[in-house]
Amino acid sequence: NAGVTQTPKFQVLKTGQSMTLQCAQDMNHNSMYWYRQDPGMGLRLIYYSASEGTTDKGEVPNGYNVSRLNKREFSLRLESAAPSQTSVYFCASSSLTGGDSPLHFGNGTRLTVT
Amino acid sequence: QKEVEQNSGPLSVPEGAIASLNCTYSDRGSQSFFWYRQYSGKSPELIMFIYSNGDKEDGRFTAQLNKASQYVSLLIRDSQPSDSATYLCAAYLVNQAGTALIFGKGTTLSVSS
Repeated sequence: NAGVTQTPKFQVLKTGQSMTLQCAQDMNHNSMYWYRQDPGMGLRLIYYSASEGTTDKGEVPNGYNVSRLNKREFSLRLESAAPSQTSVYFCASSSLTGGDSPLHFGNGTRLTVT
Repeated sequence: QKEVEQNSGPLSVPEGAIASLNCTYSDRGSQSFFWYRQYSGKSPELIMFIYSNGDKEDGRFTAQLNKASQYVSLLIRDSQPSDSATYLCAAYLVNQAGTALIFGKGTTLSVSS
């Protein structure tokens, strides 16, 4: 009963390095999301994928790219990490986008960029 | 920009009291609203959702929605120290790209024993 699985759990990068955060869900959900959470800022939407084959920008997309690899997997890539991207990243999924579909969250990835 | 607004708190209540958490939203087209609880260092977990005007009760929790005033609230009755957490309000908002769940900044609740 895994739900939403994120890897890695922790990561430290140097400025300018690249990395990909992985997310997979086993609930057969159509929609997947990437949020970042910073102290005092709540959860801010980076990118989302309403269905397999589509991706859309959220509130704070600059500096990130995403790939909806298949229905289960949605990855987030930082091409050239910056200290401003130090944050906790949450992946989430829902059966649909909208209506009464709640989000189910992964356990988060804590990223530090030095 | 379409938003979901919450008072960041902290909101402090004694054990056994009613805690009242409030949220406003800017998009009159929003239809459904969610309350999540987040303990420090953990991921958000769903408490309840509401999409009809009025009250919805689930155990000690009651969500209230007033679409005319664009206002959502969460009442926690008989508050316990274990309720101490950050409470996040969220709404599906429609933007140019589509529909996505947007969160407020959260209200920190502290229940003292």
